[in-house]
Amino acid sequence: EVQLVESGGGLVQPGRSLKLSCAASGFTFSNYYMAWVRQAPKKGLEWVATISTSGSRTYYPDSVKGRFTISRDNAKSSLYLQMNSLKSEDTATYYCARHKLPGYNLMDAWGQGASVTVSS
Amino acid sequence: DIVLTQSPALAVSLGQRATISCRASQSVSTSSYNLMHWYQQKPGEQPKLLIYDASNLASGIPVRFSGSGSGTDFTLTINPVQADDIATYYCQQSRELPLTFGSGTKLEIK
Repeated sequence: EVQLVESGGGLVQPGRSLKLSCAASGFTFSNYYMAWVRQAPKKGLEWVATISTSGSRTYYPDSVKGRFTISRDNAKSSLYLQMNSLKSEDTATYYCARHKLPGYNLMDAWGQGASVTVSS
Repeated sequence: DIVLTQSPALAVSLGQRATISCRASQSVSTSSYNLMHWYQQKPGEQPKLLIYDASNLASGIPVRFSGSGSGTDFTLTINPVQADDIATYYCQQSRELPLTFGSGTKLEIK
């Protein structure tokens, strides 16, 4: 069974940093592109980042580019999201998600989410 | 960015057909693929992939779910609607980056 379990969420002040982690199991992690998708309270879904199988390629929307960094450790089957210079508008539940196939930009498995609140 | 427009809510009776639409601000189709996908999100849960490439049923999804469309206009159909289908449904395009989602359609029981 595919499992994605996020951790590292919490309350953080504006301008500070936070790092999310996602532990993957039930599939060969190194064969899949991975992504982070977030959902602000009572709002819709927003793609945040994608990383290639080796980690050599990363992709971001303009809203987080330069502030967020996605990375992975294939030996540990783990995905990460380093979030710097956090803003109140980054408050959201952050989902770790698996791309269906390399380069295939839809997500066929999702974690339960990690809550991030940016507030003073 | 490609903007996806969905109606906020839809009310249907149990056992009836629900038709949820998604319109893209520009074509999300190539010569080979219609790059529109649908997700279901129940309250308090993570999203679940229902339909990919406009009309392909994801693994384990009941056949009462179906999808259609091409270019800029896409439809998710649920027939017949069951009580377990109460959720918000999102479309998502993968034609180009950034990946974008519609704002979601909340399915309610009449």
